[in-house]
Amino acid sequence: DAGVIQSPRHEVTEMGQEVTLRCKPISGHDYLFWYRQTMMRGLELLIYFNNNVPIDDSGMPEDRFSAKMPNASFSTLKIQPSEPRDSAVYFCASRGDRGTGELFFGEGSRLTVL
Amino acid sequence: AQTVTQSQPEMSVQEAETVTLSCTYDTSENNYYLFWYKQPPSRQMILVIRQEAYKQQNATENRFSVNFQKAAKSFSLKISDSQLGDTAMYFCAFMKRRPGAGSYQLTFGKGTKLSVIP
Repeated sequence: DAGVIQSPRHEVTEMGQEVTLRCKPISGHDYLFWYRQTMMRGLELLIYFNNNVPIDDSGMPEDRFSAKMPNASFSTLKIQPSEPRDSAVYFCASRGDRGTGELFFGEGSRLTVL
Repeated sequence: AQTVTQSQPEMSVQEAETVTLSCTYDTSENNYYLFWYKQPPSRQMILVIRQEAYKQQNATENRFSVNFQKAAKSFSLKISDSQLGDTAMYFCAFMKRRPGAGSYQLTFGKGTKLSVIP
């Protein structure tokens, strides 16, 4: 199994630009999560999906953030326009409906907004 | 809402020694999971050990074991025979299992940075 795949691994952009982060969950997993990690706030849940449907987006900080899951094997997190305070590591994770409960994480996308 | 507290921002341990990382949590739920995740410098989040709240027996995985005290809402991680590769951030995490709002998502503590000294 390839695990959760995220791209890009690193992204450097200028303030005001659009950023799109991508995630491919583990095949067969029903849940997909987007987390953000910063030194100040630690790991925060932004949004999660169950069977491609957004269940809880209360952690999405502003309207500048949006997430989609058009099918079971792909999700995007978009920031438009980006700001320096969006600089963070963004993790995608997936989880199966059966099994032992844990989330499997991708390697994260480090975003730097100048 | 659930909260997870890790009171030790940083710890160090000599190679081959034993170290215990603390975690407490606050919840009104009765059915939940607890996890310890490891994040080495590569930043990959790796599951170390899990505990189901209904199980009284403490989970163990090789050199890693937990002390789960449900009444006290405490979930500490013990690492025996520490190795250099154990150097990482360690996160305690809580997951509610009851269907409904907030279920099946992880709530993380702020983490403990562990350094294993040769």
